[in-house]
Amino acid sequence: LAKTTQPISMDSYEGQEVNITCSHNNIATNDYITWYQQFPSQGPRFIIQGYKTKVTNEVASLFIPADRKSSTLSLPRVSLSDTAVYYCLVGSDNYGQNFVFGPGTRLSVLP
Amino acid sequence: DTGVSQDPRHKITKRGQNVTFRCDPISEHNRLYWYRQTLGQGPEFLTYFQNEAQLEKSRLLSDRFSAERPKGSFSTLEIQRTEQGDSAMYLCASSLGGARNSPLHFGNGTRLTVT
Repeated sequence: LAKTTQPISMDSYEGQEVNITCSHNNIATNDYITWYQQFPSQGPRFIIQGYKTKVTNEVASLFIPADRKSSTLSLPRVSLSDTAVYYCLVGSDNYGQNFVFGPGTRLSVLP
Repeated sequence: DTGVSQDPRHKITKRGQNVTFRCDPISEHNRLYWYRQTLGQGPEFLTYFQNEAQLEKSRLLSDRFSAERPKGSFSTLEIQRTEQGDSAMYLCASSLGGARNSPLHFGNGTRLTVT
């Protein structure tokens, strides 16, 4: 069971790039890295998933170094609406008791 | 894609009463999951269905909790003899079968308050 560690909270300003790093020292060979975003009173929303190197979509980029012991979610030019909790998860299956949501990183974007 | 729908959005009940929540997944998704979330914590896995078969249950799921997915479509989660500790947000999610790393699509949850 890969455990993840990420900052409890971060502050940023509108228009800045935000990087949230997640540590997962015990990641297994078959594990993927997945990030979710959650707004108050809503369920989590899938943002991005990767296995190695770099993945980019219309919302974010995910950087994974060669040793895969950490990953960084990058949000370009954040706005107030990006204020949310961001969860980093690691696992070979995207479900079940071994796919564990930690407390996440609470990102506050300030004007 | 109308998303995952949960009903009701809010439920207030007295301790000892039974409650039932409903989840309608995305129509083509054959996997359905229930999670529980308390304030300041991430969601905790409760149980998982593939079609109508309940394949995994968390050790958190006491015998007061039961979930069904009778025809492989919608699902219900029932809590019997509710306790104040059951107060939480109950989230349902679904995913498309096939790849084990298919992302989960969550509903907006049912918030349960036990008084």
